[in-house]
Amino acid sequence: GVTQSPTHLIKTRGQQVTLRCSSQSGHNTVSWYQQALGQGPQFIFQYYREEENGRGNFPPRFSGLQFPNDSSELNVNALELDDSALYLCASSDIGSGTHYEQYFGPGTRLTVT
Amino acid sequence: GQQLNQSPQSMFIQEGEDVSMNCTSSSIFNTWLWYKQDPGEGPVLLIALYKAGELTSNGRLTAQFGITRKDSFLNISASIPSDVGIYFCAGGMDSSYKLIFGSGTRLLVRP
Repeated sequence: GVTQSPTHLIKTRGQQVTLRCSSQSGHNTVSWYQQALGQGPQFIFQYYREEENGRGNFPPRFSGLQFPNDSSELNVNALELDDSALYLCASSDIGSGTHYEQYFGPGTRLTVT
Repeated sequence: GQQLNQSPQSMFIQEGEDVSMNCTSSSIFNTWLWYKQDPGEGPVLLIALYKAGELTSNGRLTAQFGITRKDSFLNISASIPSDVGIYFCAGGMDSSYKLIFGSGTRLLVRP
């Protein structure tokens, strides 16, 4: 399955953070979502074959990387209080015909103080 | 931007009852999916629908892809306590592989 680390993180406004994800074996695509309390997940961006494959309405201080070994990162610079949320990564397999079937990890709970 | 309107926001039902929830949009989607999320966990995929009019079942769950491609519903039959959680609909479009999520339906089941 999809794993994420760390499970919880507390940062101070202005700091930078890196969240990590390990995709399901055999999947070639990773997507990142931000889920604020009481809301549905919001799409941040997607990576396919180590390149950005689509981006939601998030500023450039949100960036990502995808590595050949099924792992990926979400980086957020200059943290703001509103960045406090559950960050979810999801993996899928573009080209399988079921590429919308995204499988989520447990998430990283980020708190910015 | 695209929005999915999910209703009801919450439901409190008796164990054994059937449940129905739905999702509507002003935009056309090519794929509808339903997820369940438990507290402190990520969403778990329940059902994926790829064709307008398609009716798909997964155990006690049944979901349909609306003919207009702008809506979907999820039914749960004979609810049990472990059905408690938040159910999200999500839509996908060909122009992008991103999923757009509804705001969720919180289901509580009274034993």
